[in-house]
Amino acid sequence: DAKTTQPTSMDCAEGRAANLPCNHSTISGNEYVYWYRQIHSQGPQYIIHGLKNNETNEMASLIITEDRKSSTLILPHATLRDTAVYYCIVSEFNNDMRFGAGTRLTVKP
Amino acid sequence: GAVVSQHPSRVICKSGTSVKIECRSLDFQATTMFWYRQFPKQSLMLMATSNEGSKATYEQGVEKDKFLINHASLTLSTLTVTSAHPEDSSFYICSARDRRMGGNQPQHFGDGTRLSIL
Repeated sequence: DAKTTQPTSMDCAEGRAANLPCNHSTISGNEYVYWYRQIHSQGPQYIIHGLKNNETNEMASLIITEDRKSSTLILPHATLRDTAVYYCIVSEFNNDMRFGAGTRLTVKP
Repeated sequence: GAVVSQHPSRVICKSGTSVKIECRSLDFQATTMFWYRQFPKQSLMLMATSNEGSKATYEQGVEKDKFLINHASLTLSTLTVTSAHPEDSSFYICSARDRRMGGNQPQHFGDGTRLSIL
C-alpha cells in the first residue's frame, strides 16, 4: 500500500509555479520523501528528495512541513515539457520504492 | 548523472516465447536493482528486488518461475519472462541505486521495455 496521498490531477499555466502537494501522515522518522515524474512511455525521472529540511535543486524545490506529515513540490516556472505524472514516495534507508497513483500535472499554454 | 540503460526498448513476440530484458548501470555499481511492471493507465508495481550474487526477492503474487531474475554482476541484472502470454504484455522498468552513495540516495530508472505478446 502506498504511504502517500496525492491529488489525481492538476493544471498549471505555462510560466507559473506549479505546487504539487503530498500527504504522508504516517511517515516514520527514518523515511525520506522522494519525488519522481514520469513522462508518457518513459521511465521515472528523479526530481528531488529530502528528510526534514527544505531542499532546492536545478529542477525544483521541496518544502516539508515541520511535522513531516506533508510536503509540496514546487516547479518554479512550469513549461509544457513539465506535463507528466508526478509521484511522491516515502522510503526508508536502502529500501525499495513503492509508487502510488501520483498526480497528473498538465501545463497549459 | 547516473544512467541506467535497458535493452531492448521494445519487443514483440509470439505467445510461448521467452524474452530476456537487460538492465545495466552505466557509470556506477549497483548491489541492488529493482524490477517494476506498469500496465496502461496504472502506476508502477514492484515485482522483485534483485541482489548481486544472490537470489532475487519477489513481491507477493509475482511468480518467480515465470519471471527469472539474474544479477550476475554489479552492473547487470536480467529479467526473463518465460513462456510469455498476452497477459504478460506490459511496460517493464528497472532501477538501480549507486552503492557508493549513502542509503538515502535515489534510485535511477531505465527507460523501460515495452513487451507485446501476440
